[in-house]
Amino acid sequence: KAGVTQTPRYLIKTRGQQVTLSCSPISGHRSVSWYQQTPGQGLQFLFEYFSETQRNKGNFPGRFSGRQFSNSRSEMNVSTLELGDSALYLCASSLGQGITVNTEAFFGQGTRLTVV
Amino acid sequence: TQLLEQSPQFLSIQEGENLTVYCNSSSVFSSLQWYRQEPGEGPVLLVTVVTGGEVKKLKRLTFQFGDARKDSSLHITAAQPGDTGLYLCAGVRPGAGNNRKLIWGLGTSLAVNP
Repeated sequence: KAGVTQTPRYLIKTRGQQVTLSCSPISGHRSVSWYQQTPGQGLQFLFEYFSETQRNKGNFPGRFSGRQFSNSRSEMNVSTLELGDSALYLCASSLGQGITVNTEAFFGQGTRLTVV
Repeated sequence: TQLLEQSPQFLSIQEGENLTVYCNSSSVFSSLQWYRQEPGEGPVLLVTVVTGGEVKKLKRLTFQFGDARKDSSLHITAAQPGDTGLYLCAGVRPGAGNNRKLIWGLGTSLAVNP
């Protein structure tokens, strides 16, 4: 079956602009989580969506937002981009809601965002 | 302060050598997972350990969960260039119901030279 698909793979934006990233989870998966990955901070949790509702949120400013559609596809939006937002943004899908001891997260290849 | 500390941060070895990387915490975890991330890709789950003292083997990789469920190790025997990548550990804390998150370490970047 197809894996998690993230688009676009690469993006260059200017400070102050906004950006929308897309994630299509594995068919049948209803949970989508978003992460920011940087060399210094590692994987930082942004938010999790399940059945079109945000179920969990990390410690990021309000400039970072997301949504999930009825087909489980998810988008993440970052407004008023800052240089520090340059990172690899990863989307992960999993079968059920929330995290259990045996949750397996399936990751996409990520979107490499560069803010100049 | 990272809840999960991974060491070493970087490791460069020759093909055929053995190595161990560590994932340590002062907190108890319900489970720990190990992922490998190759350049340009997302992390891929290797194993989940749930029981204190548990040992799991995946071909040349051996994973161990500490008795107190605060730490884990990954041992690779006879490393190969294909083992090159970023090894990440992630843990699930007890409780918190549906508000649980996966807690991530910063990773160990492994380079196996031919």
